[in-house]
Amino acid sequence: DTGVSQNPRHKITKRGQNVTFRCDPISEHNRLYWYRQTLGQGPEFLTYFQNEAQLEKSRLLSDRFSAERPKGSFSTLEIQRTEQGDSAMYLCASSFLSVPNYGYTFGSGTRLTVV
Amino acid sequence: EDKVVQSPLSLVVHEGDTVTLNCSYEVTNFRSLLWYKQEKKAPTFLFMLTSSGIEKKSGRLSSILDKKELFSILNITATQTGDSAVYLCAVPNSGYSTLTFGKGTMLLVSP
Repeated sequence: DTGVSQNPRHKITKRGQNVTFRCDPISEHNRLYWYRQTLGQGPEFLTYFQNEAQLEKSRLLSDRFSAERPKGSFSTLEIQRTEQGDSAMYLCASSFLSVPNYGYTFGSGTRLTVV
Repeated sequence: EDKVVQSPLSLVVHEGDTVTLNCSYEVTNFRSLLWYKQEKKAPTFLFMLTSSGIEKKSGRLSSILDKKELFSILNITATQTGDSAVYLCAVPNSGYSTLTFGKGTMLLVSP
């Protein structure tokens, strides 16, 4: 598989529940990014990792959000005590160091619906 | 804070028409401007522009950057229904660690 893989593709959860998403980047890419996209908006940056180190977090990433990338491979994004405002598409992307000529490679996303 | 504004936000054209999508930007340290096509799921890369006045072309799509006026345009000639998508414009920060996206232009090509 040469693409960025995200699981699950869809998640419906009740308000207040915790959810966890997984992203498997392109294997040779050492940077991994999480973005959130709501209807009618472009993707908004949440956080990124270089290898296993989380180097930057957006102010959009509240205390209820946590991301990890153990061993610099796959990453997980957890949302605790979900709220209806968390409903969005969560996109993962990966790249090698900096943005190459072909830009980031995005996964197909996990669509979260909080009811 | 970096800012990207795209226009129009939506556009409906007939197959065969030519369209021009606009992207203006304000960034602290300009490095490049990226165009993506998003068809319901993953944004897919179209172009990366770094120099003014040099057209990038791929089939019926082309794009150009004006660093003096701080904008870029994406042209699609002889549109097809398969061109229906959201077209996103983005600029990276100086460290290429984040992309700031515009809201996108939703293009619908009717047969």
